[in-house]
Amino acid sequence: GENVEQHPSTLSVQEGDSAVIKCTYSDSASNYFPWYKQELGKGPQLIIDIRSNVGEKKDQRIAVTLNKTAKHFSLHITETQPEDSAVYFCADSGGSNYKLTFGKGTLLTVNP
Amino acid sequence: DTGVSQDPRHKITKRGQNVTFRCDPISEHNRLYWYRQTLGQGPEFLTYFQNEAQLEKSRLLSDRFSAERPKGSFSTLEIQRTEQGDSAMYLCASRQSSSYNSPLHFGNGTRLTVT
Repeated sequence: GENVEQHPSTLSVQEGDSAVIKCTYSDSASNYFPWYKQELGKGPQLIIDIRSNVGEKKDQRIAVTLNKTAKHFSLHITETQPEDSAVYFCADSGGSNYKLTFGKGTLLTVNP
Repeated sequence: DTGVSQDPRHKITKRGQNVTFRCDPISEHNRLYWYRQTLGQGPEFLTYFQNEAQLEKSRLLSDRFSAERPKGSFSTLEIQRTEQGDSAMYLCASRQSSSYNSPLHFGNGTRLTVT
């Protein structure tokens, strides 16, 4: 991808509430959009991904939506738990070869 | 656990010294990627291999950086004449390109500090 904007940069929620993180991208060729969770001192861990032929994907408490026309995609976490606290990154593939372009990350804090 | 393994986890070096990092990808993965991550930023692509062939290098990869994957298994990333601006987390990732749904799996990185 060329550029990925991610918002917000920090997000604080109460346990049990929902959290939403949004990203926009600029590369029309992008067709793969993963979300990674990174805990302190560790590498990014894939939590969910979506391809451009799908508008929404869900995995238990996590869902991702994609709007190709508007070039934005969002991560939704429901029933948040303290262990969800981490930095979350969106990324896009730029069309091929998994040369991912990452957003700047969102620090999610879930308060018990 | 047979995830992506990186060594060392931490490296402190003095400016001007050379350093080398190693990455062992997931065993059946033919593609191997190097990324760099600075504090408060997302990872940035550096280079990637398909088997032993280095297919692409980012313009971020100056001529002081060299990566190899001689037998198509593990890879090394060498930085010559390190500078303070090289301080970052160096992440390795791998995937199997023949599997359409194979995502990119990251290791836990090597944190480099140049003093």
